[in-house]
Amino acid sequence: GQQVMQIPQYQHVQEGEDFTTYCNSSTTLSNIQWYKQRPGGHPVFLIQLVKSGEVKKQKRLTFQFGEAKKNSSLHITATQTTDVGTYFCAGINSGAGSYQLTFGKGTKLSVIP
Amino acid sequence: DSGVTQTPKHLITATGQRVTLRCSPRSGDLSVYWYQQSLDQGLQFLIQYYNGEERAKGNILERFSAQQFPDLHSELNLSSLELGDSALYFCASSVMGTGGYTEAFFGQGTRLTVV
Repeated sequence: GQQVMQIPQYQHVQEGEDFTTYCNSSTTLSNIQWYKQRPGGHPVFLIQLVKSGEVKKQKRLTFQFGEAKKNSSLHITATQTTDVGTYFCAGINSGAGSYQLTFGKGTKLSVIP
Repeated sequence: DSGVTQTPKHLITATGQRVTLRCSPRSGDLSVYWYQQSLDQGLQFLIQYYNGEERAKGNILERFSAQQFPDLHSELNLSSLELGDSALYFCASSVMGTGGYTEAFFGQGTRLTVV
């Protein structure tokens, strides 16, 4: 079945440092979505990437979708304590006839003030 | 507030018992997903319904079942509960169907503790 892998599992950074999490799929994806889950909260949608090689920015966050549509990354510039949480990627592979939204295990980000 | 309502918020039950978790999707959303999240684990996909029909199935145990009703609310039934079933169960909804893909809105989750 479709698998989505995310690395690293944990990341501790000093406030002001940059942070990147990587997502890799075992199959070609139609779309990839990114979510953030604050401690004790529920996942909240951040963004969706659809096109091969697509890059989208949201303030200090930069999202990329690989050319082969099998990998993606989220980069945060100059982390702040408000960035703390777990970041999940979630892939959709409509080509397999499935509408399953498969999540990676997430990267838990800690920011040291 | 995501607009997705899950009840109950917390549930404590004994091994061997059966429980039902309920989810009301956002108004207008036809798709409902169920996920299991164990401590420090990712979101394990269980099952998806679209407009009352099962659309995708993940690693859902045979002891678990779900359905989506005509009013689009969904229920996840967990039976013969084991200690390892203790987890946070999330429901999410989206507009997504056979066409495009939109964001999934998550409920607050039901924390199930099996003792």
